[in-house]
Amino acid sequence: ELKVEQNPLFLSMQEGKNYTIYCNYSTTSDRLYWYRQDPGKSLESLFVLLSNGAVKQEGRLMASLDTKARLSTLHITAAVHDLSATYFCAVDISGGYQKVTFGTGTKLQVIP
Amino acid sequence: DAGITQSPRHKVTETGTPVTLRCHQTENHRYMYWYRQDPGHGLRLIHYSYGVKDTDKGEVSDGYSVSRSKTEDFLLTLESATSSQTSVYFCAISEPQGATYEQYFGPGTRLTVT
Repeated sequence: ELKVEQNPLFLSMQEGKNYTIYCNYSTTSDRLYWYRQDPGKSLESLFVLLSNGAVKQEGRLMASLDTKARLSTLHITAAVHDLSATYFCAVDISGGYQKVTFGTGTKLQVIP
Repeated sequence: DAGITQSPRHKVTETGTPVTLRCHQTENHRYMYWYRQDPGHGLRLIHYSYGVKDTDKGEVSDGYSVSRSKTEDFLLTLESATSSQTSVYFCAISEPQGATYEQYFGPGTRLTVT
């Protein structure tokens, strides 16, 4: 059974600081996704990581994938309040059925 | 938003009553999914569909059934609602994006079972 663990679960950080969210998973996979969810809203796709060493960046967020370590990271650079949200990673080991297993999420609060 | 709507958006029902949630998509996507979201659990897959009348169970399927008689509609039914099924339910579709697929989510349905 695939287990996807994120840490930390809660993160309060000041604007301008850097931090990293970690996503560990228990079964070999080369497809990992990051999503963002604002309070009371639906999920928004941020990144799709498809291979070992994949790195994607969008604004102040950068995601990477190390399939050998079964680890993905979401790095936040110079945080701003607008990044406050819950971030989920999700891993796909289903082959052709696009079934993903989600981590429990990291709630990020950026304090001005 | 991948043309996904969910109905109802909010519902309060009593224990033991049947409840059906509807997910509707307008872009002919083959794969559709139902998730529930609860604090501390992230999103958990209930059922998914890979075509009309083709469905399969996810990790938390007990107490739920689904049907897909048309490409555009994926229905989730709670045969006899229980308080443990109080949750936010999200529908999703899967759309090819280059070498892979991405899931896009509907707006969610907040269900309260009293």
